[in-house]
Amino acid sequence: GQQLNQSPQSMFIQEGEDVSMNCTSSSIFNTWLWYKQDPGEGPVLLIALYKAGELTSNGRLTAQFGITRKDSFLNISASIPSDVGIYFCAGHGRSGGSNYKLTFGKGTLLTVNP
Amino acid sequence: GAGVSQTPSNKVTEKGKYVELRCDPISGHTALYWYRQSLGQGPEFLIYFQGTGAADDSGLPNDRFFAVRPEGSVSTLKIQRTERGDSAVYLCASSWSGRAGDTQYFGPGTRLTVL
Repeated sequence: GQQLNQSPQSMFIQEGEDVSMNCTSSSIFNTWLWYKQDPGEGPVLLIALYKAGELTSNGRLTAQFGITRKDSFLNISASIPSDVGIYFCAGHGRSGGSNYKLTFGKGTLLTVNP
Repeated sequence: GAGVSQTPSNKVTEKGKYVELRCDPISGHTALYWYRQSLGQGPEFLIYFQGTGAADDSGLPNDRFFAVRPEGSVSTLKIQRTERGDSAVYLCASSWSGRAGDTQYFGPGTRLTVL
């Protein structure tokens, strides 16, 4: 089945620093999504990308849909303590039945030291 | 309610027992999804409902798992003869129509522990 490789697995940064994480796939994805999950909660959508090459921002967050349709990155600028959590990439594949089911990466655990 | 709700929030059971997990989607959402999240992993797709019917149950791991959505709103995930390997957080999500562009809104999950 389709798999997403997400890196890094974890990050420890100081408040104010910028953060970058990425996701790659062995197969083409039609959409790329970035979610954040806090402890005891479900994932919350941060950014959705629908076109190859698309660059989208949401406040301090910026994400891009790779030209090859096989990768995406998420940048967080000027990190703050509430950015702490697990960030997941996810996507919809191109194979049959994949326009609704999401495939998730394993997540990046972000810790921000104040 | 304003978001997807799931009950119970935590369920502890013994190996071999039967459990039911409930999901209340956002009002008006026709599409409902169940995912399972093991420790240190991302959510994995289990089943997708469009209205009352299970449009895709290819993610259910075996025939001990079953889900229903009889009236097209609330859904129940049922697990028979639970095993320790079933321990995970079970997440429910809903979306407006189920098309690829629809945002899936997740509930807080039910943490299932099988002793």
